[in-house]
Amino acid sequence: NAGVTQTPKFQVLKTGQSMTLQCAQDMNHNSMYWYRQDPGMGLRLIYYSASEGTTDKGEVPNGYNVSRLNKREFSLRLESAAPSQTSVYFCASSELHRANTGELFFGEGSRLTVL
Amino acid sequence: SQQGEEDPQALSIQEGENATMNCSYKTSINNLQWYRQNSGRGLVHLILIRSNEREKHSGRLRVTLDTSKKSSSLLITASRAADTASYFCATVWAQKLVFGQGTRLTINP
Repeated sequence: NAGVTQTPKFQVLKTGQSMTLQCAQDMNHNSMYWYRQDPGMGLRLIYYSASEGTTDKGEVPNGYNVSRLNKREFSLRLESAAPSQTSVYFCASSELHRANTGELFFGEGSRLTVL
Repeated sequence: SQQGEEDPQALSIQEGENATMNCSYKTSINNLQWYRQNSGRGLVHLILIRSNEREKHSGRLRVTLDTSKKSSSLLITASRAADTASYFCATVWAQKLVFGQGTRLTINP
């Protein structure tokens, strides 16, 4: 089982460039999430999607957009990258919305550097 | 952190010793989860404890929950080098799962 797959694993961008992080899960989960992890900050939720066709903002949504393409795929787009968006990005999925009882399954992360 | 905070931030012990990490949170919860993150990897779910449970075991892991103190602890017994990782607690806040900053555990051979 692949679980949660993220691409790319590494990316270097220049300020102002755009890019999309891709995420796919094969566990038939309804809910998907994008987090960013910075040193000393833990994980912060950027956006989440409770189900296909719905998305909601998390703690730090500014500068990002998301698309829930179908039940399997949830992409994160940076329209105009800034150095402050240098981070490790994690996609996750869960069976139950809002993770009230469901555990999250994480991808391996996408390491983004913005110069 | 808006919800959970782990303590200590870093812990270094000898192989075979027990490791205890604590998590404090601010609001009422339905459940609390613990995750492990090996260096350069994604997070892996370890255990979930519900608000009506006081203690839960899974292999060498023991989790306790004290809702009156809004705190939880994760105990790893008979530590191994492979337990070296960061450990995070997670709770629901504003209908979202939020994580603390984690405890970085190092097991010395």
